[in-house]
Amino acid sequence: SSELTQDPAVSVALGQTVRITCQGDNLRNYYASWYQQKPGQAPLLVIYNKNNRPSGIPDRFSGSSSGNTASLTITGAQAEDEADYYCKSRDSSGNHLVFGGGTKLTVL
Amino acid sequence: EVQLVESGGGLVQPGRSLRLSCAASGFTFHDYGMHWVRQAPGKGLEWVSGISWNSGSIFYADSVKGRFTISRDNAKNSLYLQMDSLRAEDTAFYSCAKGAGPAVFYLADLPRSYYFDSWGQGTLVTVSS
Repeated sequence: SSELTQDPAVSVALGQTVRITCQGDNLRNYYASWYQQKPGQAPLLVIYNKNNRPSGIPDRFSGSSSGNTASLTITGAQAEDEADYYCKSRDSSGNHLVFGGGTKLTVL
Repeated sequence: EVQLVESGGGLVQPGRSLRLSCAASGFTFHDYGMHWVRQAPGKGLEWVSGISWNSGSIFYADSVKGRFTISRDNAKNSLYLQMDSLRAEDTAFYSCAKGAGPAVFYLADLPRSYYFDSWGQGTLVTVSS
């Protein structure tokens, strides 16, 4: 079982705001990064270092963290944001990387 | 443009071996830690192994430790994964991923942080008799 817990599925109406969360005690010590994966495609980094976006990632994507929870927020979700989203961090031992189970985002 | 291209996947019987390769281009390969990540069909992502820029630090997931060996050849801009004693549960797409810095798990200027900034498309490994 993963040390990072994500809701398996979340839905959002087109143009609305959605928050995807990732919980784990290790998040008190290490930052989470967030990856978007569309069917048949490689994962794509969308958020790193709490709230940094790589070049080319729309500014509707933002990140935050508090205590043992990291969050990815999409403000004004678009149809193309429908994908699986994974958080990642170091585990409690510090000697492994661990992914959350993933959240399937549906844009209605 | 960063490119990571995996190869070497295929169908293999349980207990046999397979060697995966990842050809890197578009960046200074020897400056970055590299990783293998796998994804069973229809399942989530699982970190498999990571290696630092100079091969000085190597780590494995518990599920593959003692069976898999990660290595790199900086002269050839290539990353490898030797997989021995394969099991049915190793069936997955295997992707290589570029770390954000030279180490395996942290950034020198921000030790609490580490992320993958590029991924390959993956190669499928199927372990079945």
